Amino acid sequence: EADIYQTPRYLVIGTGKKITLECSQTMGHDKMYWYQQDPGMELHLIHYSYGVNSTEKGDLSSESTVSRIRTEHFPLTLESARPSHTSQYLCASSDPGLAGGGGYNEQFFGPGTRLTVL
Amino acid sequence: SQKIEQNSEALNIQEGKTATLTCNYTNYSPAYLQWYRQDPGRGPVFLLLIRENEKEKRKERLKVTFDTTLKQSLFHITASQPADSATYLCALALNAGNMLTFGGGTRLMVKP
Repeated sequence: EADIYQTPRYLVIGTGKKITLECSQTMGHDKMYWYQQDPGMELHLIHYSYGVNSTEKGDLSSESTVSRIRTEHFPLTLESARPSHTSQYLCASSDPGLAGGGGYNEQFFGPGTRLTVL
Repeated sequence: SQKIEQNSEALNIQEGKTATLTCNYTNYSPAYLQWYRQDPGRGPVFLLLIRENEKEKRKERLKVTFDTTLKQSLFHITASQPADSATYLCALALNAGNMLTFGGGTRLMVKP
């Protein structure tokens, strides 16, 4: 079982609300990621971080923002939720390892947060 | 950009048989390819990694092959069990410095 946690697991919220999805890992991994996944579809990378104070946008454009002020914590924030933000959000982390980079080592995923915006 | 194709139709097999799942990719050849298992409502779990210079990798009942000429990876589960029922995702990275690109996954159903 991976030591990566996400809260809340489920969130139903009204349009216009500000939300923060929490992600924490206890493995000391430098690299962390946020993915968005709709039912039966691919995972799309929306944000990633190489370490503290590092954040980058992923392949899929997202209105969310992230921060990384501690190694173990990588929260995602939506300032004003909309129905189009309804999706599953998955957090992951990896250890760069000897070869470096996110593609060499396995990624450890949290259980996900299923967000529904009404 | 890289495109990954996995059979979107579910694969139904009988318990004890070998399940074979396919992952095809276009454009650039990846340096690494990974396979993950995802259960409903859960995050993916890493299973195997295979590098571009490796033809085959095994782990218990799992076997992965990587054919860079065909631009294809095959994922085999031998002696399949109902507990193997899940969605299996392939993911690849162009090189060690790049992020993973995931396929849409194939759902496997193993019937007793």
